[in-house]
Amino acid sequence: DAKTTQPNSMESNEEEPVHLPCNHSTISGTDYIHWYRQLPSQGPEYVIHGLTSNVNNRMASLAIAEDRKSSTLILHRATLRDAAVYYCIFATGNQFYFGTGTSLTVIP
Amino acid sequence: DTGVSQNPRHKITKRGQNVTFRCDPISEHNRLYWYRQTLGQGPEFLTYFQNEAQLEKSRLLSDRFSAERPKGSFSTLEIQRTEQGDSAMYLCASSLDRWGRNEKLFFGSGTQLSVL
Repeated sequence: DAKTTQPNSMESNEEEPVHLPCNHSTISGTDYIHWYRQLPSQGPEYVIHGLTSNVNNRMASLAIAEDRKSSTLILHRATLRDAAVYYCIFATGNQFYFGTGTSLTVIP
Repeated sequence: DTGVSQNPRHKITKRGQNVTFRCDPISEHNRLYWYRQTLGQGPEFLTYFQNEAQLEKSRLLSDRFSAERPKGSFSTLEIQRTEQGDSAMYLCASSLDRWGRNEKLFFGSGTQLSVL
């Protein structure tokens, strides 16, 4: 039931920006786009979410395409602690569907 | 706010046995979700509660699975007659639903089930 498409893996150098893309072409006009990340042996952790306009918080920025069919999570300066699996999801009705996510490797 | 708590963290059982997991959500969170996650996959939705009412169940949830949330507080997930295919991480999440919007989920650390 995964409705988002993400690259399986990405790499980034430490202290450089990272742009994690996500396609969600079937999203409806009222579905929020959420991003979570998961470290090994832990539950997913909320990162950011938004509806139409770009969003910023202390962890990351979320850039949402004008047609809302894609979005990009931006980590402004990757640290080793940002190495995780990042999930882009949206809630249809009351269910959050997770895909397989993007495994981010941060190179020191 | 002590976060979402799940117990036990690990459970090893023999095939055919029944197991029960417990989830204590963040207090005042009215929504509670159960997910299952296998190695290399994202979490799969199983079921969710709005207060004490179980409002939605995935078709993945066979008759051997049952979940409850008495009084809208903690929740239990029971698996009867466990099978080796039930081996997975079982995750619980809670959220505060306001005006029907899907607010952010807070996850527990999960219960890792191994069926021998």
